[in-house]
Amino acid sequence: DAGITQSPRHKVTETGTPVTLRCHQTENHRYMYWYRQDPGHGLRLIHYSYGVKDTDKGEVSDGYSVSRSKTEDFLLTLESATSSQTSVYFCAIKGTSGRAYNEQFFGPGTRLTVL
Amino acid sequence: QKEVEQNSGPLSVPEGAIASLNCTYSDRGSQSFFWYRQYSGKSPELIMFIYSNGDKEDGRFTAQLNKASQYVSLLIRDSQPSDSATYLCAGLPKTSYDKVIFGPGTSLSVIP
Repeated sequence: DAGITQSPRHKVTETGTPVTLRCHQTENHRYMYWYRQDPGHGLRLIHYSYGVKDTDKGEVSDGYSVSRSKTEDFLLTLESATSSQTSVYFCAIKGTSGRAYNEQFFGPGTRLTVL
Repeated sequence: QKEVEQNSGPLSVPEGAIASLNCTYSDRGSQSFFWYRQYSGKSPELIMFIYSNGDKEDGRFTAQLNKASQYVSLLIRDSQPSDSATYLCAGLPKTSYDKVIFGPGTSLSVIP
């Protein structure tokens, strides 16, 4: 357990509404990541952060924004949710004391449904 | 586009058999590879990693890396029903040590 929590765990929303997902970690890790997971696509990186206020885009960043104002929190925002953003969203941190360099530890996931 | 490819399966093996999971990657510069296991409805967890050509063994798991062929595999010996899960292969591109590229995953079912 790398001390990662995600909230909410489940959310149903309507097309066009804004949605914010929160990732919280308790172990002061520098790197945090947001992925989405869809059948047949595995995990795809949305955005990641390498420090407070330092973020960068991943391969599927369109329609998403992120913010990191504190080390422990990494927020993912869907400004205007679309049905194509229905997915399971995982937050992850890059561990520094794991068995492998760049081992990633994942949160429990958030299941988002956009109607 | 740096890609990691896997056969999506499902792969079914009888209990006690060897399960062989395969992965290919397009970025010849990738140096490190990881195998994550993901149970249904759960988050992925790292089970093996490999940096060098050849085999790496950890209990019932063996990871194999062939950089010339751009091929990574995971062997699970004496497969158990508890090994039934999706296995995600991931590579670390040489040009970006901050980001891991995941394959689509292979679903494994071990039949009692």
